[in-house]
Amino acid sequence: NAGVTQTPKFRVLKTGQSMTLLCAQDMNHEYMYWYRQDPGMGLRLIHYSVGEGTTAKGEVPDGYNVSRLKKQNFLLGLESAAPSQTSVYFCASSYAVAAYNEQFFGPGTRLTVL
Amino acid sequence: GQNIDQPTEMTATEGAIVQINCTYQTSGFNGLFWYQQHAGEAPTFLSYNVLDGLEEKGRFSSFLSRSKGYSYLLLKELQMKDSASYLCAVREGDYKLSFGAGTTVTVR
Repeated sequence: NAGVTQTPKFRVLKTGQSMTLLCAQDMNHEYMYWYRQDPGMGLRLIHYSVGEGTTAKGEVPDGYNVSRLKKQNFLLGLESAAPSQTSVYFCASSYAVAAYNEQFFGPGTRLTVL
Repeated sequence: GQNIDQPTEMTATEGAIVQINCTYQTSGFNGLFWYQQHAGEAPTFLSYNVLDGLEEKGRFSSFLSRSKGYSYLLLKELQMKDSASYLCAVREGDYKLSFGAGTTVTVR
């Protein structure tokens, strides 16, 4: 099993450009999440999904959109990138019902917006 | 919302013990997690506490006091490979986690 995978691993954008980050998991997890990690601020939740076809806003959703058309995939879109969106983005997934619903993280996408 | 505090950095020597404290304020506590994150890598799960007391897993232990809003992660017999960032995360509800900024541990 690959676990949680993310593509791409690195990306450089110019201000105003758009892009989509792809997250895929092969553990049949119901829940999926997108975080951003910035120095000194810890992981912050952008959007999350509790099942196929459903999404919800997290702590810092502005400037991002998401879609979960298939249970195994969770896409994060930036419609018009801004330098403030320079960050490392992590996707995670977890079971809906489990002893402690551990979240499994992908390897991250390092995004730079110039 | 959440307010999670942990020290920014700690340094210890190989073979020693280090204790990383985490304090939190929450309106609906439903578990506390510790994750380890090596530089440039993804966080990986270390431990989980939902009831008061100590959970031991090999060289790592985690303690929780819900009444005090306090947890610690204890790393024993430190090894060079333990140099990493340690993230405290609190769960409200069934699945959402709020993370502290992380504590960078350097083993010398």
